[in-house]
Amino acid sequence: GAGVSQSPRYKVAKRGQDVALRCDPISGHVSLFWYQQALGQGPEFLTYFQNEAQLDKSGLPSDRFFAERPEGSVSTLKIQRTQQEDSAVYLCASSLTGVGSPLHFGNGTRLTVT
Amino acid sequence: KQEVTQIPAALSVPEGENLVLNCSFTDSAIYNLQWFRQDPGKGLTSLLLIQSSQREQTSGRLNASLDKSSGRSTLYIAASQPGDSATYLCAAPIPSGTYKYIFGTGTRLKVLA
Repeated sequence: GAGVSQSPRYKVAKRGQDVALRCDPISGHVSLFWYQQALGQGPEFLTYFQNEAQLDKSGLPSDRFFAERPEGSVSTLKIQRTQQEDSAVYLCASSLTGVGSPLHFGNGTRLTVT
Repeated sequence: KQEVTQIPAALSVPEGENLVLNCSFTDSAIYNLQWFRQDPGKGLTSLLLIQSSQREQTSGRLNASLDKSSGRSTLYIAASQPGDSATYLCAAPIPSGTYKYIFGTGTRLKVLA
């Protein structure tokens, strides 16, 4: 497609459940990012991929969060044993390169943990 | 550590006004700075990217300037329209970083018809 696609658009999980969020970046984009956005706040960096290599995962809040991009295209953010504080919008972005090119964001997945 | 601040947090103006949104960052060792627009329930749309070697960028009614020495960037919107109503965010990369962007909390703009 022409833009970054994320699914599902909304996800409700009971505390303790595992969830998987998918991101389909723009074709040919080398860099892929995951951000977490709380209500009324700016996005906060979670992790960065260059092709299939995860070069930075310093923003992942805990070891319950795991991201992968095995073939350098689609990426999945997995959250194990979800907690209420995980409730947020999870945004995926891609860019043609990591340096000096604009970030293109998907519409996000709104995760609500009950 | 890079910190990004945006002022004002919210702004309401009548249609047709020219307006300025401000973004401050604490560390000037940046490669570029980006401005985004976010509509309710949507992702971010890239508006302008200013490289550190540039002082400003223009796209239609939007003009963004960058002053690294003072740690400031401004987004100027000319002849505002109701369709400009959205949250505007700026993002600066970490010092000497090429990919990790730190976002401000945004300015919520409402343009009244």
